[in-house]
Amino acid sequence: GAVVSQHPSRVICKSGTSVKIECRSLDFQATTMFWYRQFPKQSLMLMATSNEGSKATYEQGVEKDKFLINHASLTLSTLTVTSAHPEDSSFYICSAIRGAGDSNQPQHFGDGTRLSIL
Amino acid sequence: AQKITQTQPGMFVQEKEAVTLDCTYDTSDQSYGLFWYKQPSSGEMIFLIYQGSYDEQNATEGRYSLNFQKARKSANLVISASQLGDSAMYFCAMREGLKGNQFYFGTGTSLTVIP
Repeated sequence: GAVVSQHPSRVICKSGTSVKIECRSLDFQATTMFWYRQFPKQSLMLMATSNEGSKATYEQGVEKDKFLINHASLTLSTLTVTSAHPEDSSFYICSAIRGAGDSNQPQHFGDGTRLSIL
Repeated sequence: AQKITQTQPGMFVQEKEAVTLDCTYDTSDQSYGLFWYKQPSSGEMIFLIYQGSYDEQNATEGRYSLNFQKARKSANLVISASQLGDSAMYFCAMREGLKGNQFYFGTGTSLTVIP
């Protein structure tokens, strides 16, 4: 069964709306979670690394004030797309790593969120 | 240089045949992990198989096996007895170091299984 839950799976909203996406690790504690963005027929693009109890580490070119990440507990990270515009429409997917971060542990992914801004 | 290279944007295979998806990687670390993921059209990323840099035997998981050639820095995924449900995007990924957190993903290969 799924070990990472992502909600909602699909969002359609008007331009200017802020959208919150939740990512939960269901049966393990995740000190680190990742947020990706994926354009059609392309690979995953890492947006930021979410660290429990500290600020997220953003990749170059990702606006921190636009994509707010909060990792308030060991099982929950949230991504808020603030004042979303049509260009923010995309597929967003989160992941978490089980354990202390050994190199043999895979990232477990949520099912993703399809965000459409009208 | 790209950390992970997948040179096949699209592949076709006849149902019940085997198919190999190529992946080469670039790292100077001695310890690293290699992963393959499947992404169906519905979007979820499904973990398929893992190979550690120190593993001497090729990893296998059911119909999936990994052809690991360390000297060539390649980690090709072999899918045996292809099924229609195998049609999807396949991504190769690498994680460097003993405690490294960042994954590097390839550009993916779109596999289509023909009935």
